[in-house]
Amino acid sequence: SQQGEEDPQALSIQEGENATMNCSYKTSINNLQWYRQNSGRGLVHLILIRSNEREKHSGRLRVTLDTSKKSSSLLITASRAADTASYFCATETSGSRLTFGEGTQLTVNP
Amino acid sequence: GAVVSQHPSWVICKSGTSVKIECRSLDFQATTMFWYRQFPKQSLMLMATSNEGSKATYEQGVEKDKFLINHASLTLSTLTVTSAHPEDSSFYICSGVAGAGETQYFGPGTRLLVL
Repeated sequence: SQQGEEDPQALSIQEGENATMNCSYKTSINNLQWYRQNSGRGLVHLILIRSNEREKHSGRLRVTLDTSKKSSSLLITASRAADTASYFCATETSGSRLTFGEGTQLTVNP
Repeated sequence: GAVVSQHPSWVICKSGTSVKIECRSLDFQATTMFWYRQFPKQSLMLMATSNEGSKATYEQGVEKDKFLINHASLTLSTLTVTSAHPEDSSFYICSGVAGAGETQYFGPGTRLLVL
């Protein structure tokens, strides 16, 4: 297994539903970040949660972090078709270096 | 948020040629820049970390003589793929960090196709 495994690999939901993506990692971290990537584009930073934080909110996003289980979840509430994208978690261990998870492809159907 | 640009956005070249990709931080000084590679339907893999004015640090398995990185100023880093081959075809993405910041700001990526 690699640092930053995500599940599910793909998720398809209807507009208005909530989407939950999970990320697990193996080593101690400074923080964990979630990014979004539209097909063929660069990454957009969504939210950062530090190792001493348990939950963080930003708009329709809610991120949790459980360092004892080395896992994090990203919840997108009231999803929209425009939320369709790939979502990656990334862990920072040292020197700002990020290790990315495999990503979850989210499809929100109108 | 901070903006990072990449140029070119896409490039097609013949096998054996060299390709230079530029990464610029437009509204902040990036003391550290990172270069990633992403193959289709895969995650980003860190290739190297570059700090302004010093040699880049390459990840294990990345050939430093093949992927030349220069970080000559606080707003510009370049990646040169030397003697490119079809297996180098990929999406190359850079990012920059300001000072001791935690957040990496990503460029839009450069798609390289080597024929």
